[in-house]
Amino acid sequence: DTAVSQTPKYLVTQMGNDKSIKCEQNLGHDTMYWYKQDSKKFLKIMFSYNNKELIINETVPNRFSPKSPDKAHLNLHINSLELGDSAVYFCASSHTSVGARYEQYFGPGTRLTVT
Amino acid sequence: SQKIEQNSEALNIQEGKTATLTCNYTNYSPAYLQWYRQDPGRGPVFLLLIRENEKEKRKERLKVTFDTTLKQSLFHITASQPADSATYLCALDEGGSTLGRLYFGRGTQLTVWP
Repeated sequence: DTAVSQTPKYLVTQMGNDKSIKCEQNLGHDTMYWYKQDSKKFLKIMFSYNNKELIINETVPNRFSPKSPDKAHLNLHINSLELGDSAVYFCASSHTSVGARYEQYFGPGTRLTVT
Repeated sequence: SQKIEQNSEALNIQEGKTATLTCNYTNYSPAYLQWYRQDPGRGPVFLLLIRENEKEKRKERLKVTFDTTLKQSLFHITASQPADSATYLCALDEGGSTLGRLYFGRGTQLTVWP
């Protein structure tokens, strides 16, 4: 069984379009994340939700809007796509609690190409 | 914000040798430090977590050290195998109330040749 899954795996679209990426985890975790990995392999956090509440919102253009319908799902909607949005987007999940830290489980990634 | 540097982008070693990867950070010491492995076309996979009050952590052939004086973590793979070839990422967690925020280094690509 896949722990963290993302759809689609590949996404090719034109500038100006709007697209969504979906993520689901079956690990029972309470926190989910979106990361962006650029062409130089630099992995940077974008957003994090804990129990459906947004807790991390990095400096990301407001064209990016995450939504968490429940603890097991986190979607990412991107409006007016730009060339610079081309990257691999990873979803991840983990337990969280104050005073303790846990590993993050990553999905397989969605490679977004904007032409 | 933290600046994280991982030693050389690429490290090539012979099978059976010990691979040592370095992660240096510039600002205050993180409360936790994690190491991940990433294979081409796949998501990172967690390997080890070490806390700031721990000097060393081991798991099978893997060992991580954490030196807050040097602001450095070392990641060792003993008796390396070609299957260990991958990119290894270190990630810093500052702790506190920002649950789960990790700052990743750019990674070191390890190649183990027979």
